[in-house]
Amino acid sequence: QKEVEQNSGPLSVPEGAIASLNCTYSDRGSQSFFWYRQYSGKSPELIMFIYSNGDKEDGRFTAQLNKASQYVSLLIRDSQPSDSATYLCAVRGITDSWGKLQFGAGTQVVVTP
Amino acid sequence: DVKVTQSSRYLVKRTGEKVFLECVQDMDHENMFWYRQDPGLGLRLIYFSYDVKMKEKGDIPEGYSVSREKKERFSLILESASTNQTSMYLCASTLGGDSSYEQYFGPGTRLTVT
Repeated sequence: QKEVEQNSGPLSVPEGAIASLNCTYSDRGSQSFFWYRQYSGKSPELIMFIYSNGDKEDGRFTAQLNKASQYVSLLIRDSQPSDSATYLCAVRGITDSWGKLQFGAGTQVVVTP
Repeated sequence: DVKVTQSSRYLVKRTGEKVFLECVQDMDHENMFWYRQDPGLGLRLIYFSYDVKMKEKGDIPEGYSVSREKKERFSLILESASTNQTSMYLCASTLGGDSSYEQYFGPGTRLTVT
């Protein structure tokens, strides 16, 4: 069983709509959760991170964390074609020392005009 | 802003060659990481380092070694390159200590071994 699971997609979203991405993790003691965006052929770039249950908003992005259900989600409001990318979920588990993160395989998002 | 740089964006090497990939970060980060990324396999951790001269194996260390002689620089070495090491190689760093643990990535090196 993978430690961090994401639906690979592609997730097709009309321009202007909300994209909803989900990520589940197996380590119940996980402490920190991160979302990265990766354009094709480029390296991952950090969008946001969340530590506490609930919602955290940053511009058009909202991260939602539910530790009891072991999932973290990312909402992208008013989706734009420039949001077309692969989104990686990363989790720091309770046994992950030295800043190690467990990455999901990513969800590909395609925003259609 | 954190800046992580990698020595080459594209590299072509022959089977059996010794290959050096270098990564430099300018934010005094404690921890540095090397990953490879292949289609369908996601990011896989090769090695990481939590201090100068300190290193730990990741999930796929076979065929690789690393060197960290200075805090800002972390090198990945392919002792004898093979075609199955053709991949995108990504370096990342994080501050460490009691800080948040977000990792910042370099631009990547796309290595082709022929």
